[in-house]
Amino acid sequence: EAQVTQNPRYLITVTGKKLTVTCSQNMNHEYMSWYRQDPGLGLRQIYYSMNVEVTDKGDVPEGYKVSRKEKRNFPLILESPSPNQTSLYFCASSLYRTRPLHFGNGTRLTVT
Amino acid sequence: KQEVTQIPAALSVPEGENLVLNCSFTDSAIYNLQWFRQDPGKGLTSLLLIQSSQREQTSGRLNASLDKSSGRSTLYIAASQPGDSATYLCAFQGGSEKLVFGKGTKLTVNP
Repeated sequence: EAQVTQNPRYLITVTGKKLTVTCSQNMNHEYMSWYRQDPGLGLRQIYYSMNVEVTDKGDVPEGYKVSRKEKRNFPLILESPSPNQTSLYFCASSLYRTRPLHFGNGTRLTVT
Repeated sequence: KQEVTQIPAALSVPEGENLVLNCSFTDSAIYNLQWFRQDPGKGLTSLLLIQSSQREQTSGRLNASLDKSSGRSTLYIAASQPGDSATYLCAFQGGSEKLVFGKGTKLTVNP
């Protein structure tokens, strides 16, 4: 089944403890991106990647890192999480940027 | 900075009604516009994508239109059903690779 898989679905952590949220797609998509969704603010793009080893900042990249070493994987790294990074995170992919986006089911992160 | 606005924020209609959801954007240099559906606790599902060269796209009971000159897109849902209840979001893509989302319209279709 064609899908975007995020792990974990839920994560509770403490301030400053490095974490990684994984994202994998099995559709051979070139474009992948990360978003966070917050009440009243909607969905905001964190980082995106046009292809392997090509990444760029979205609207809210501060405090996040990404890497794209393989086409199928696009992990989101929080080196030193803070409470203001508590949010619902979504990974998405598309064949290329002019094609419909496919979203994962989300990761709900709580930083205490 | 690109802004995408969706009005109304919430809408409640009786089953069977035809309805229109609105999306407006400030930047006329549009590349494409996508409409998504989000169910509670779930990710987004792509419904329709309109390229800047197109005026509308249709899928089943859904029809999305794009008017670049006025900076507006509409999503028309025909013969609404309770299963259509969800939050509908539009997303603008301009010349850059960034995607800008509206805050969504929460639709409730009452049986």
